Amino acid sequence: AQSVSQHNHHVILSEAASLELGCNYSYGGTVNLFWYVQYPGQHLQLLLKYFSGDPLVKGIKGFEAEFIKSKFSFNLRKPSVQWSDTAEYFCAVNAFGYGQNFVFGPGTRLSVLP
Amino acid sequence: EAQVTQNPRYLITVTGKKLTVTCSQNMNHEYMSWYRQDPGLGLRQIYYSMNVEVTDKGDVPEGYKVSRKEKRNFPLILESPSPNQTSLYFCASRGGRRELFFGEGSRLTVL
Repeated sequence: AQSVSQHNHHVILSEAASLELGCNYSYGGTVNLFWYVQYPGQHLQLLLKYFSGDPLVKGIKGFEAEFIKSKFSFNLRKPSVQWSDTAEYFCAVNAFGYGQNFVFGPGTRLSVLP
Repeated sequence: EAQVTQNPRYLITVTGKKLTVTCSQNMNHEYMSWYRQDPGLGLRQIYYSMNVEVTDKGDVPEGYKVSRKEKRNFPLILESPSPNQTSLYFCASRGGRRELFFGEGSRLTVL
C-alpha cells in the first residue's frame, strides 16, 4: 500500500528564514505528487504539482519542490517565508496502478513569527 | 466560478441521529471523493466515486455511506453517527488536470 510521511509535525520560523519541508512516499512506480496548503480555517488549496519532466517544479507564492526519484522524496522549499505563510502543509501522492486514490501525509504545521 | 460546495459547514448532532452532508461541484468532474481530517492523521479517504453510479471504499469507510446518482452531487450519509465520527470532512473532485479541488469543509460534532 502507498504511504506518505512528512518529516516535521510543527516547524517554527522567523520571517525571511528559508523553509524546507520533507515528504517521502513508499510507492516504487510512477507517481503524481502534490503539495497542498491549508490556511487557518480554510480548505486545502493546491500549491504545486509534479507529473513528469523537470523534477524542480515551481508553484504559487514563491514555493518550489524537488522530486528526487531515487530518494522517493518531494521536498517543499521557499527561500524566504512570510508571516502569511503560516498554515498547514500536506504532501499527497497519486500512484499509477492505484486508480484515483490520493494518499495524504499527516501534515506539517508551519508557524512564521513576525 | 469553479467550486465544490458542501453543506452544512457546521453541525452538532447526537449519537444515532441520521445525517447527510451534501457535496456539489460545477466543474463536470467525473471523480469525487470524501475525506475526513483529524489532528495528526492528515486526510483519510472515506469513499470515492469514479462516475455516476460507481462508488468505492477508501481507507476508512466504516459507518459511512455514499451515493452518486448525478454527476455533480456526492452526498455523504451517516446512518447512525457515533462520537468517533466527530471530525472535519472535506469533499473533493478531480477532472482532467488531475489535481483535487476541495470544498470548504464541514465540521461535524457528534455528542
